[in-house]
Amino acid sequence: VQLVQSAAEVKKPMSSVKVSCRTSGGNFKMNAISWVRQAPGQGLEWMGGIIPVFGRANYAHKFQGRVTITADESTRTVYMELKSLTSKDTAVYYCARDGDYFDPWGQGTLVTVSS
Amino acid sequence: QSMLTQPPSVSGAPGQRVAISCNGSSSNIGAGYDVHWYQQLPGTAPRLLIYGNTNRPSGVPDRFSGSKSGTSASLAITGLQADDEADYYCQSYENTLSGSKVFGGGTKLTVL
Repeated sequence: VQLVQSAAEVKKPMSSVKVSCRTSGGNFKMNAISWVRQAPGQGLEWMGGIIPVFGRANYAHKFQGRVTITADESTRTVYMELKSLTSKDTAVYYCARDGDYFDPWGQGTLVTVSS
Repeated sequence: QSMLTQPPSVSGAPGQRVAISCNGSSSNIGAGYDVHWYQQLPGTAPRLLIYGNTNRPSGVPDRFSGSKSGTSASLAITGLQADDEADYYCQSYENTLSGSKVFGGGTKLTVL
């Protein structure tokens, strides 16, 4: 399985961002994909994940109501949309196959929130 | 604050052995959930180093080993090399937060 993410984004405060994660290899429907973010100089933080065959995502408590994770089987792509952005959301966002542990990882997408 | 506690930094000379601890509680590691470890080199995505407490993915040298006991886990690195200098994270499952995956705060390994 390989994961390729969309390019870096610069967003205004209170706007939304949608990051994509295109997968190749493996069984797309059965592979859970999670999103993990890393603020500058900080640690890793799990945001949520989805198993495409079930369609429903599971979110970290901290992000519930503000993040939406979806999957498109036709393009083998998983999306993460984060709303109401603030400067604290400036981070590198990673997708990763989630089989209890995370492996492999996408290359990361830098999202910068700045006015 | 992370549910899993790691020392912010550890260091060792080339060839030496170092250990990185990951302290949890009865709602994560102590509840029997597996611990996994990741290595993150500067400017790169994390890489799986140890899964299921003690298992190494193919390609990971046997200088890296993991263990778990009670509410804690540990990553040991023997025969330290310069390119081991990186950030290391433990990860497990937390059963009090709607089924959350949780990471330790990370440990910066410096090879002296």
